[in-house]
Amino acid sequence: ETGVTQTPRHLVMGMTNKKSLKCEQHLGHNAMYWYKQSAKKPLELMFVYSLEERVENNSVPSRFSPECPNSSHLFLHLHTLQPEDSALYLCASSQGTGNSPLHFGNGTRLTVT
Amino acid sequence: QKEVEQDPGPLSVPEGAIVSLNCTYSNSAFQYFMWYRQYSRKGPELLMYTYSSGNKEDGRFTAQVDKSSKYISLFIRDSQPSDSATYLCAMSATGTASKLTFGTGTRLQVTL
Repeated sequence: ETGVTQTPRHLVMGMTNKKSLKCEQHLGHNAMYWYKQSAKKPLELMFVYSLEERVENNSVPSRFSPECPNSSHLFLHLHTLQPEDSALYLCASSQGTGNSPLHFGNGTRLTVT
Repeated sequence: QKEVEQDPGPLSVPEGAIVSLNCTYSNSAFQYFMWYRQYSRKGPELLMYTYSSGNKEDGRFTAQVDKSSKYISLFIRDSQPSDSATYLCAMSATGTASKLTFGTGTRLQVTL
């Protein structure tokens, strides 16, 4: 496996469910990100994990909880989501958080019913 | 006013046409500019990266930055059906990946 791998590719969950999204990068990078991509809206940064910083977008609701056990793995734990949380969730990695480009996974398409 | 404005399209052009994709922005501190290409059901991939004003060319692709007008462009020469995708502009003041501001993306369709 190369690049950034996200699982599952698709997820349908009810508002009372708890689920987790998984991301794994095989690029030797040391920074990982969660982005939310909704139709007709720009990519929204949710969380960043790196040696240099951990950034949380203050507008992200607490029903989204990130976990980064090491530099290769990133999780997004989901609980009591709302229908407006339906979107494509993209994981990305980079070498540091400076000028290095982002490498994205193919995303998890989440539908909240 | 959005910090970055990008026409969502869709933009439909015949094969072989020259395509111009554009973004305008309001933050004069932006000096790092990127274009990402996103195919359907895939994640974005970096296409072009430029710093400050000027042009950068890579094969059929040319990125142009006009900081005085707060306007960036991506030109695609001899467009191919394989260029059909959504093109996202992104920019930042510091180049820091965690500080990128993205446009909404322009969907391009190149027809045979």
